[in-house]
Amino acid sequence: DAGVIQSPRHEVTEMGQEVTLRCKPISGHNSLFWYRQTMMRGLELLIYFNNNVPIDDSGMPEDRFSAKMPNASFSTLKIQPSEPRDSAVYFCASRSDGAYGELFFGEGSRLTVL
Amino acid sequence: AQSVTQLDSHVSVSEGTPVLLRCNYSSSYSPSLFWYVQHPNKGLQLLLKYTSAATLVKGINGFEAEFKKSETSFHLTKPSAHMSDAAEYFCVVSDGKTSYDKVIFGPGTSLSVIP
Repeated sequence: DAGVIQSPRHEVTEMGQEVTLRCKPISGHNSLFWYRQTMMRGLELLIYFNNNVPIDDSGMPEDRFSAKMPNASFSTLKIQPSEPRDSAVYFCASRSDGAYGELFFGEGSRLTVL
Repeated sequence: AQSVTQLDSHVSVSEGTPVLLRCNYSSSYSPSLFWYVQHPNKGLQLLLKYTSAATLVKGINGFEAEFKKSETSFHLTKPSAHMSDAAEYFCVVSDGKTSYDKVIFGPGTSLSVIP
């Protein structure tokens, strides 16, 4: 299996621009998680889906952030408009319902907002 | 509600000496517990997991952890540190009751290994 695939790996953009991060989970996995990692706040859970349905989005910082999972093999995290404080590494992870919660992580998308 | 506490934000050991990274958790049910490792500029990799079988769990690279329900602890140990062990380590809890469970990460412990 190819593992969890995230794109882009690196993104540099200017404040106010729209940013879209993409994730392809491992085939057969039912749950998908989006995390944000910064030096100041550590690893934060933003949102997670089960069977393509958002279960808990209480970690999404504000309305500028939105996430979708239109099918079992694809999810997006969108920031519009972006701000410098959104600069972070964004991780996507997936898991199978039968795997006792073990998460498989992508390599992350490093976002820099100037 | 679930929560995870990692008692040390940073641990420094000499190469060849034992490693102890401490983790305490809070969970409403019988939890699943995990340790993940993150090397610089890399993603997170599973080291080991506890899922209500044996309380002493062995993982990759010589690491192991012991689940102690009475102490609500899941400390990570390794008999002899190697330079390549320098990384960030995360203790993780999941209630494991349903597929809807949140997976909660601790704040992380940064391990430095001195030559």
